[in-house]
Amino acid sequence: SQKIEQNSEALNIQEGKTATLTCNYTNYSPAYLQWYRQDPGRGPVFLLLIRENEKEKRKERLKVTFDTTLKQSLFHITASQPADSATYLCALDGSGGYNKLIFGAGTRLAVHP
Amino acid sequence: DAGITQSPRHKVTETGTPVTLRCHQTENHRYMYWYRQDPGHGLRLIHYSYGVKDTDKGEVSDGYSVSRSKTEDFLLTLESATSSQTSVYFCAIRVGEDGYTFGSGTRLTVV
Repeated sequence: SQKIEQNSEALNIQEGKTATLTCNYTNYSPAYLQWYRQDPGRGPVFLLLIRENEKEKRKERLKVTFDTTLKQSLFHITASQPADSATYLCALDGSGGYNKLIFGAGTRLAVHP
Repeated sequence: DAGITQSPRHKVTETGTPVTLRCHQTENHRYMYWYRQDPGHGLRLIHYSYGVKDTDKGEVSDGYSVSRSKTEDFLLTLESATSSQTSVYFCAIRVGEDGYTFGSGTRLTVV
């Protein structure tokens, strides 16, 4: 079955540094990969979608890469701020297609002043 | 969370009782989804709907049923609640060709 792996350990970084989060997947070749942000007690918020034919996508301080050979996506936040502290989830369309997104368990990011 | 509301926000219920959670959207989106979120498991799809009276099962549909009699409402019913169904439940809508928009969640505790 399809599986998504995100680092379960929290990532702690200093303000102003670049945060890099990893999403690895197995047993499938998704057409899309998405990243969401989730704050405690809130629902996930969509950030970026990258398609299989796109290597990289940017939005303001965010950058996502998608390596279909390595079966990996990297999510970067440049010039990180304490307000970026949250849990970040990756999701991909599994064998069930776009209507059956599979989510990773998320990685918690803590940005320290 | 623009355009999507879940009710109730919190609920405590007893084992064996039926429970219905409601998801309401104001923007006439076709696709609606119910997920549950548990520590270490991430979000798991329970059921989804692709139109009025059109639904399909997700990864963890056992013990759950759904109904969608109007475009704006998608109901999730736990037929007979069990402790394993203690979780946070999220409704989501699909907006265009990008990501999902999620509601604020319902925290359900089955005692």
